[in-house]
Amino acid sequence: GAVVSQHPSRVICKSGTSVKIECRSLDFQATTMFWYRQFPKQSLMLMATSNEGSKATYEQGVEKDKFLINHASLTLSTLTVTSAHPEDSSFYICSAKAGVGLNEQFFGPGTRLTVL
Amino acid sequence: GNSVTQMEGPVTLSEEAFLTINCTYTATGYPSLFWYVQYPGEGLQLLLKATKADDKGSNKGFEATYRKETTSFHLEKGSVQVSDSAVYFCALVKTGANNLFFGTGTRLTVIP
Repeated sequence: GAVVSQHPSRVICKSGTSVKIECRSLDFQATTMFWYRQFPKQSLMLMATSNEGSKATYEQGVEKDKFLINHASLTLSTLTVTSAHPEDSSFYICSAKAGVGLNEQFFGPGTRLTVL
Repeated sequence: GNSVTQMEGPVTLSEEAFLTINCTYTATGYPSLFWYVQYPGEGLQLLLKATKADDKGSNKGFEATYRKETTSFHLEKGSVQVSDSAVYFCALVKTGANNLFFGTGTRLTVIP
C-alpha cells in the first residue's frame, strides 16, 4: 500500500513554544489530508481536513488559530501547534487519500507531542 | 450524530484461539464500515471494509459482516496468531463524506 510518513515521531517542548509536524505522502499524490488527535485510551478525533491549495476545514471545537494547517503541495501537509501548553500533549496522526469518493485513507505512524 | 462503540480491551488470547471484537455504530443514512489495525510502531492500516448492508469484508483470515438490523460490524478470526497482536479500530464514514469516525480501539495480545 501507499506510504505516509510523519516527522518528527516524538517531540518534547516547553510551554509557549510552537511545534511543527510534517505529514508526507511518499509515493502518491494526496488531494486530501486529515489530521487526527488521539488521547490515551480514546478514539482518534478528526481535527481538520485539508485539500491541497485551499484552507483547511476544521471540526467543531478545534481552534484554527491554535492548530495551523498548511497543505502547500500534493505530498506535504504541516500541522503547527502554536504556543503549545501541557493540555496540547497528545498523539497526532495524519492520513492522506488520493482522489475522491471512498478511496482508502493511508495513515502516518503518528507524532507524540509532550509539552512541559 | 455519528459514533462507533467497540469493546474495551485489552484482550489477551492464546495462539489459535477464536477472536471476536464487538463493534456497533450510530449513524444517519447508510455509512461504510471499516476495521483498521495498528501494529506496534506503525500507522493504521486498513484491514477490511464493507460498504452496504449484509456485505462481508475479509482479509488475512479476519471477517466482519455489516449488520444493519443490529447496527454492528463485529470482527472475527477463527485462529489468531502471535503476529495478530495489535490495536484494532472500528470506523465508519458517512455516505458522501470524507472523514472517518473511529472507535476507541481494542488492544489484542496473542500469547504463544
